[in-house]
Amino acid sequence: AQRVTQPEKLLSVFKGAPVELKCNYSYSGSPELFWYVQYSRQRLQLLLRHISRESIKGFTADLNKGETSFHLKKPFAQEEDSAMYYCALVYGGATNKLIFGTGTLLAVQP
Amino acid sequence: DVKVTQSSRYLVKRTGEKVFLECVQDMDHENMFWYRQDPGLGLRLIYFSYDVKMKEKGDIPEGYSVSREKKERFSLILESASTNQTSMYLCAHGGRAAKNEQFFGPGTRLTVL
Repeated sequence: AQRVTQPEKLLSVFKGAPVELKCNYSYSGSPELFWYVQYSRQRLQLLLRHISRESIKGFTADLNKGETSFHLKKPFAQEEDSAMYYCALVYGGATNKLIFGTGTLLAVQP
Repeated sequence: DVKVTQSSRYLVKRTGEKVFLECVQDMDHENMFWYRQDPGLGLRLIYFSYDVKMKEKGDIPEGYSVSREKKERFSLILESASTNQTSMYLCAHGGRAAKNEQFFGPGTRLTVL
């Protein structure tokens, strides 16, 4: 069965430090993965998708099929990056259902 | 600009009451979803709908039902609210045009006393 694992509930770093939010998945088909972000008192929104291979707000994520991972990285954290981050996996074909990890709260200290 | 509205931001109900949560989208997407969001558990799918009057159970449908009479509107119903249904409820929508992206509403924080 499909599963998304985010092992860290909380990640606390200092401003300017590198950030890596971990995500591992289990899926029998060809995976399609997203990172969603929820800032304080805002709605959940898409941060990036692996298909696009883009950098958004300095964040990147590379799909590693061998390690079944899709870790989110940023070289220099900013205070405004503080938020809840969810990794999500597409399943269910045309119904575009997503299965979410349990989320990691990123706290960037000044 | 994407517009997904949910009928209430905060709701307080008593045990045993019937509760309606409504979601409206303006992007003509075929798929709509209801999740509950709990600390440490992430988002869990309650029900989804892939067309008008069509619905499927998600991972945690017990105690909930849904209604989709119009394409833009998806309602979540708690037939008899219980305290363990106190949670944040998120509506989302998406479709083929969205390339699997889901767009989320602001959420309804429901407290059942």
